[in-house]
This record gives sequence, structure tokens and C-alpha cells, in this order.
Amino acid sequence: EAEVAQSPRYKITEKSQAVAFWCDPISGHATLYWYRQILGQGPELLVQFQDESVVDDSQLPKDRFSAERLKGVDSTLKIQPAELGDSAMYLCASSLGLAGNYEQYFGPGTRLTVT
Amino acid sequence: GESVGLHLPTLSVQEGDNSIINCAYSNSASDYFIWYKQESGKGPQFIIDIRSNMDKRQGQRVTVLLNKTVKHLSLQIAATQPGDSAVYFCAENSYPGGGADGLTFGKGTHLIIQP
Repeated sequence: EAEVAQSPRYKITEKSQAVAFWCDPISGHATLYWYRQILGQGPELLVQFQDESVVDDSQLPKDRFSAERLKGVDSTLKIQPAELGDSAMYLCASSLGLAGNYEQYFGPGTRLTVT
Repeated sequence: GESVGLHLPTLSVQEGDNSIINCAYSNSASDYFIWYKQESGKGPQFIIDIRSNMDKRQGQRVTVLLNKTVKHLSLQIAATQPGDSAVYFCAENSYPGGGADGLTFGKGTHLIIQP
């Protein structure tokens, strides 16, 4: 069964350092999402891509976070500089199209710890 | 702001009993609702969904009920098994426009199965 791949699975970094996460969606999925999940809470949307275009980045802290999906396939989420409050699980999800018609499939996430 | 939330943080049930997990939402424009299951260290896994033009939908051992009058969603799990132990999230999508369809998640209910 096809799955969303994410790497690394765990990342420890010091505050003020740069960190990047990678996501490879299920083949053929046009829509890709990045969510952040703080421990004990539900995921929160950071950014949504449709192919290579950003559809929604209204919740992305643009002063330190950036995301790209240059070829409309895999995607990278970057944080620079990292802050203590960025410690969380970063989840990537993908779907064939709009979630109202297509299920969102989540990857295993990247657990980020900022020290 | 508008949000999706859950009534109880933890629910403990006996193996073999039925479980009911509740969710209240406040966005009357929400059109699509989903229940996700998240096991420790994994990404959320789709369980079942329901659109706003329905009030009940059944899957394998699971049933979702939607009461739009009181903005309430519930997940019923029949004959609960040890493998059902996880955190359960309700999520909603109100499609704010422009193709944006990221999900809004509640805080989650931790389902504990007693032997």
C-alpha cells in the first residue's frame, strides 16, 4: 500500500539553527499539506500546495518558516532560525485533490526537539 | 475563534464494550467531518467521514453521527478491541475558498481499553 514518506523521523537541533524536513507524497497526489502537532493537541495546518502552487499559507509563520514544492511532487519545510516553541511533530499529508472528495493520507511525521 | 473540540480528554472502556467519543464544533459553515485515529508515534489514520447533508454513516465496527442542530459529532466503536487504543480526533473542513481545504482538528480523546 502506498504511503506518504517523511524524513528524518526525529530531529534535535539547538535554537537559532536551521532545520529542514522532507516529504514525498503518494504518487499521483496533487495536493500536499504540512501540519504541525504540538504534544497533546490536534494537528494545525501550516501550508497547502496544489501541484507546485501554494493554495493556503495563512497559518505559516513566514518570518521563520518556508515551504516549497518546486516540481509539484516532493516538498521541503524549513525553519530558520528554530525557536524553543517550534518543538512539535511536523506531519505531511497528501490527497488526490480537494479533501472533500478525496481522503487526506498522513505520513509518520518528523518529531522536532529544539534545545 | 471558531474551532473543533472534544468533550473528554480520556475515555476508558472495557474490552468488548461499545465506545462513544464526542466532538463539538462551532463553525456552522463546516461541510465535511472526519474522524482520525492516531497511535503513538504515528500519523493520523482516516477512520470514517460524513458530509453535512447526512446524519449517520456506518463503516466496519464504526458509526459516525452528525447533529447539525447542536453542532455535535460522535464516533461509535462497536465491540472495542485492544487495537482500538489510540487518540481519536475529529476534524472539519469549511472550505474557506480559493481551493483551500486544510482540516481543522480538535484536541483529541485518548481511548484506553481495559482488559
